[in-house]
Amino acid sequence: QKEVEQNSGPLSVPEGAIASLNCTYSDRGSQSFFWYRQYSGKSPELIMSIYSNGDKEDGRFTAQLNKASQYVSLLIRDSQPSDSATYLCADDTGTASKLTFGTGTRLQVTL
Amino acid sequence: DTEVTQTPKHLVMGMTNKKSLKCEQHMGHRAMYWYKQKAKKPPELMFVYSYEKLSINESVPSRFSPECPNSSLLNLHLHALQPEDSALYLCASSQELGEQFFGPGTRLTVL
Repeated sequence: QKEVEQNSGPLSVPEGAIASLNCTYSDRGSQSFFWYRQYSGKSPELIMSIYSNGDKEDGRFTAQLNKASQYVSLLIRDSQPSDSATYLCADDTGTASKLTFGTGTRLQVTL
Repeated sequence: DTEVTQTPKHLVMGMTNKKSLKCEQHMGHRAMYWYKQKAKKPPELMFVYSYEKLSINESVPSRFSPECPNSSLLNLHLHALQPEDSALYLCASSQELGEQFFGPGTRLTVL
């Protein structure tokens, strides 16, 4: 049974700080990894995808992948109150377009 | 156009009603998905269509019936639902493999 695990939080960080969200996955065959942001009552929004080991930066967001250790993380620099949401990690083995989602980490950015 | 649209936004139905959810994308994506999401849980995959053919049915009860009339449209026909089927129903699309983009969802309440 494939699993993607995340700490449910809430993770509370002050405005302007770096938020670090972590995710581990069980399937060594996983090829692709995605971070979605979901505001309460809204649908998931794709914010980052990462396919190879290392870092990938997009604006204030950096995704990090370590396939040997089977973890993927998301760093949010200069956190804003508008970043307060649930962040879902997902992986895809690439064989059937099936994403396995973690349970999500709730992030609270405080003023 | 990088949008997935869903109608209706909200739906209230009785257990004897028949209704349909609709999803449309114009990104040329070849895969489309239906997910169900309960409060504080991650999205749960229901069906995958690839090139307009049903490729994955995650053992969904027959009271949910998907249909893909063409490469841009996806329907979910509902009949004889139960109150526990009340949830947010999400449509997503992707290239054959890769990033999935979600629509805004239909909030379904079964009375």
